[in-house]
Amino acid sequence: ETGVTQSPTHLIKTRGQQVTLRCSSQSGHNTVSWYQQALGQGPQFIFQYYREEENGRGNFPPRFSGLQFPNYSSELNVNALELDDSALYLCASSTGTGFSYEQYFGPGTRLTVT
Amino acid sequence: AQKITQTQPGMFVQEKEAVTLDCTYDTSDPSYGLFWYKQPSSGEMIFLIYQGSYDQQNATEGRYSLNFQKARKSANLVISASQLGDSAMYFCAMRDKSGNTPLVFGKGTRLSVIA
Repeated sequence: ETGVTQSPTHLIKTRGQQVTLRCSSQSGHNTVSWYQQALGQGPQFIFQYYREEENGRGNFPPRFSGLQFPNYSSELNVNALELDDSALYLCASSTGTGFSYEQYFGPGTRLTVT
Repeated sequence: AQKITQTQPGMFVQEKEAVTLDCTYDTSDPSYGLFWYKQPSSGEMIFLIYQGSYDQQNATEGRYSLNFQKARKSANLVISASQLGDSAMYFCAMRDKSGNTPLVFGKGTRLSVIA
């Protein structure tokens, strides 16, 4: 039990729609990262927020955006959904951004785009 | 750029036996951390073990140990006394010090424990 929760668990959307995924992390975890995991692959980094500011981004287009709130919750927004956006979306929180900080993962949201 | 390579797509092990999952990495940064995660079919990534680049001894956590060979850039996970509940995907990952870096994952190894 990592104390990181995500909602919803599963989601089905149509191509072109917009979606918001949510993550709630533990108190004191000032860093949250989002990952996309396609079927049969390892997770790919989308972006990271530290104290409500984006401070790192992977190779994802601007239609992937996020927010982090003071209450240790965060959002991942995806606009203009494409079929290839179908994946498991994982959020992970930690108490810092250094390389030794363990990241605590949530159970993920499985998004299907039809 | 960081890179993680896991060359074993799938592994089988008999219950109560030990198994080694391979991981090699590449980075130009002398400061980095190596992680292993377990992902059951439910999807959640479960942290297993961590090894820092400057740690002198191999990390151990219960039945998990990390065989860290820095010169070979190798960080293999050893699971002793395998249990049926160990059946899952296993991912090796790393972070280095170059900026606010995320975890970089390998493609994973699917471990199946046979009774």
